Order: sequence, then structure tokens, then C-alpha cells
Amino acid sequence: GDSVTQMEGPVTLSEEAFLTINCTYTATGYPSLFWYVQYPGEGLQLLLKATKADDKGSNKGFEATYRKETTSFHLEKGSVQVSDSAVYFCALSMIKDSNYQLIWGAGTKLIIKP
Amino acid sequence: DGGITQSPKYLFRKEGQNVTLSCEQNLNHDAMYWYRQDPGQGLRLIYYSQIVNDFQKGDIAEGYSVSREKKESFPLTVTSAQKNPTAFYLCASSTIRQGRTDTQYFGPGTRLTVL
Repeated sequence: GDSVTQMEGPVTLSEEAFLTINCTYTATGYPSLFWYVQYPGEGLQLLLKATKADDKGSNKGFEATYRKETTSFHLEKGSVQVSDSAVYFCALSMIKDSNYQLIWGAGTKLIIKP
Repeated sequence: DGGITQSPKYLFRKEGQNVTLSCEQNLNHDAMYWYRQDPGQGLRLIYYSQIVNDFQKGDIAEGYSVSREKKESFPLTVTSAQKNPTAFYLCASSTIRQGRTDTQYFGPGTRLTVL
């Protein structure tokens, strides 16, 4: 079945380091792909999304490109800040039981040290 | 301001009691969802609803019940049949465009603790 696999955390980086959080997926058809962020004690916020192959989603310095050939949607940021510390979730939309749902990765905790 | 509200933020319950978690949205979204999140884990779908007076079970519906009498509201009841209810509960909503679920928007969550 359709699924999302994220790199395990926690990922610990120093401030201003380059960030990559890997996300790969298996899906039939052409799902939309999403990255959400969850700050401690809060709900999830949409970070970025891409709806078709080769689309690049970007927001707040984060980017991810929908790569159909490698079934990937890796999250990147050139220079992280302490305020980026959070849990990041990759997700795809798919049909299940005749309804569209989001399939979630397990989340990757990011810790940025000053 | 448009958004999703969940109440209460923290909830304590004694074993054997039912408890209802509130979720309201003023985004005019058709679809609403309930997820459960356990520490260090991802989201698991409990129930979802795409239209009023209709809802479907998600992956972990046992011990939970919902209703969707109004488009804006999707309350979740955690019953005494749920064996391990202590968790963080998240409500979300989305539009449905061209038959596809659009971006899901989340409320701030309710942390339920069973004493």
C-alpha cells in the first residue's frame, strides 16, 4: 500500500548549518506531497507542498522538490536557526476506501543548538 | 480570524468515564478529521467526515465515537472502551477540490490524561 518513510531523528545541528530531512514515498498514481511542522505542545502547520512532479514547494527558507523518478520529497534549508527546532512530518494524499486521505510519515525531530 | 479551535487544551479524566473533545472550524471546510498522537510518534487517523451527517472510521476507531450534525463542528467522544486514551488529540479540516482532499489545517490540540 501507499506509505511515507522519513529519516529517523533526532537530527541535531548547529545554528547556520545546512539541513536535509529525507522523505521517500510509495504510491500509485500522482499524489500531492506535503511537509508539516509541529512546534512543542502545538498542532501541525503546513510548511510547504507540491502537487505534481518537478514542482518545488518553498516557505520560510525551506524547500522541497517533488522527484517522481526517485519517489522523494526531501526537505532542505540552507541555514537553520534555533527557532527551527521542531518535529517535521512528510505526508502524501491518496485515495483510501474511495476517499482522499493523508498518509503520514513518523516525523523527524530537529534540534538546533546555538 | 478563520481557523480551527479545540477545547479544552488540557483534559483530565478518571478511568471508566467518557469524555468529549470539542472541535470547531469557521473555514467553511467540507472535511474534518481526528488524529491521535502519542509521544515521539506520528499521527494516526481516528475518524473523518467529508459531509454533514456522514463519517468514516480511520485506522484506530475502536473506543471512540464522533458526530457531524453541523458543518462547523466535529466532536470526538473518548469512551471507557478505549483502553489507553492518554494522548494528544488533533483535529483538522480541509476543502475537497475536484474530488481530492486539499491541504489539512490543524487545531492546537487537546492533551488528554487519564488518572
